[in-house]
Amino acid sequence: DAGITQSPRHKVTETGTPVTLRCHQTENHRYMYWYRQDPGHGLRLIHYSYGVKDTDKGEVSDGYSVSRSKTEDFLLTLESATSSQTSVYFCAISDPGRATEAFFGQGTRLTVV
Amino acid sequence: AQSVTQPDIHITVSEGASLELRCNYSYGATPYLFWYVQSPGQGLQLLLKYFSGDTLVQGIKGFEAEFKRSQSSFNLRKPSVHWSDAAEYFCAVGAVAGNQFYFGTGTSLTVIP
Repeated sequence: DAGITQSPRHKVTETGTPVTLRCHQTENHRYMYWYRQDPGHGLRLIHYSYGVKDTDKGEVSDGYSVSRSKTEDFLLTLESATSSQTSVYFCAISDPGRATEAFFGQGTRLTVV
Repeated sequence: AQSVTQPDIHITVSEGASLELRCNYSYGATPYLFWYVQSPGQGLQLLLKYFSGDTLVQGIKGFEAEFKRSQSSFNLRKPSVHWSDAAEYFCAVGAVAGNQFYFGTGTSLTVIP
């Protein structure tokens, strides 16, 4: 695996609570992404970052925020978790100067009860 | 807008039989195309990619894919399937703008003895 670590790997949280997922990379890739994976939907982009403090929305960004204060870390925050945010979340990295593909972390399974 | 269609949600094949997974894309320029595989509880692993040159590309684990511009397709093939190939397969298109990746909804492969 590329040097991508997601934490936590599993989390159960209550509706209405804030949740932060962390993605840490050791590859010094410029781009970082957060996707969610749901049955029948494949992977959908939540937010992505193209540099420190440079982020943009993806197709399913409502209810999520992100921050990237260092090249290696990309945080995804659910400000007030809802049951519809129960999903598996994947972090990915890429760097067009080195390779065309994205590399994925192992995923975080989040359950909102 | 970019999009990827995988028309087969689930495919069952016998071990040793040939396999073809279909992928159609919509993209306004020459795309970067990818196939990823996901084993249960794991992240996505790149099988192969196409961005230029020979339209038949070889990947890992004995997989190959053919880019057909006229059909907007990038189908994945394997001549003889092994039980360990049972997994979820995702086709993706990469967009130069924003270095984003768009995924299909996936095809689940079951291999029977």
